Amino acid sequence: GNSVTQMEGPVTLSEEAFLTINCTYTATGYPSLFWYVQYPGEGLQLLLKATKADDKGSNKGFEATYRKETTSFHLEKGSVQVSDSAVYFCALNDYKLSFGAGTTVTVRA
Amino acid sequence: EAGVAQSPRYKIIEKRQSVAFWCNPISGHATLYWYQQILGQGPKLLIQFQNNGVVDDSQLPKDRFSAERLKGVDSTLKIQPAKLEDSAVYLCASSLGQGDFNYGYTFGSGTRLTVV
Repeated sequence: GNSVTQMEGPVTLSEEAFLTINCTYTATGYPSLFWYVQYPGEGLQLLLKATKADDKGSNKGFEATYRKETTSFHLEKGSVQVSDSAVYFCALNDYKLSFGAGTTVTVRA
Repeated sequence: EAGVAQSPRYKIIEKRQSVAFWCNPISGHATLYWYQQILGQGPKLLIQFQNNGVVDDSQLPKDRFSAERLKGVDSTLKIQPAKLEDSAVYLCASSLGQGDFNYGYTFGSGTRLTVV
């Protein structure tokens, strides 16, 4: 079946550091790919998405590119802030939205 | 627009008791989802409704969990009797339609259930 695998956390960074969270997927078709973010005490929020190969999703300084050849959708941000501390989930949607296990990111001032 | 509303926000019950959660989706969203998020894991789909019909309940433990969506709007998820392993956050989400794979779902804030 379809599945998503994320790099394990937790990840701890200093402010202004570069962030990468790896995500790979297994799917029989051509799913849409998403990154969701969950801030402490809050619900899941859509961060960015890409609907076809080579699409780049971007939002709030975060980017991810849909790579069909490597079945990947890695999340990157060039300079993180303390406010980026959250749990990040990679997800795919072909006929239903399926999530990875999540990666906890903590940014220290 | 108003978001997905869920209540209660928190619930603590003893094992073998029953509990119910309520969800009101975004107005006009035909598809409603219930997810279970156990601590340290990603959300897992329990049940999906299209209007008031069930589309997918393959991951719903039907011996203890039930859900309904009357009139294709609000939905309730019930657990009876609860087990310790049911401790989790229960998330409700909605989307415009079943086929909109290009769009993410809108999630509510969730109900945190603790079974003691």
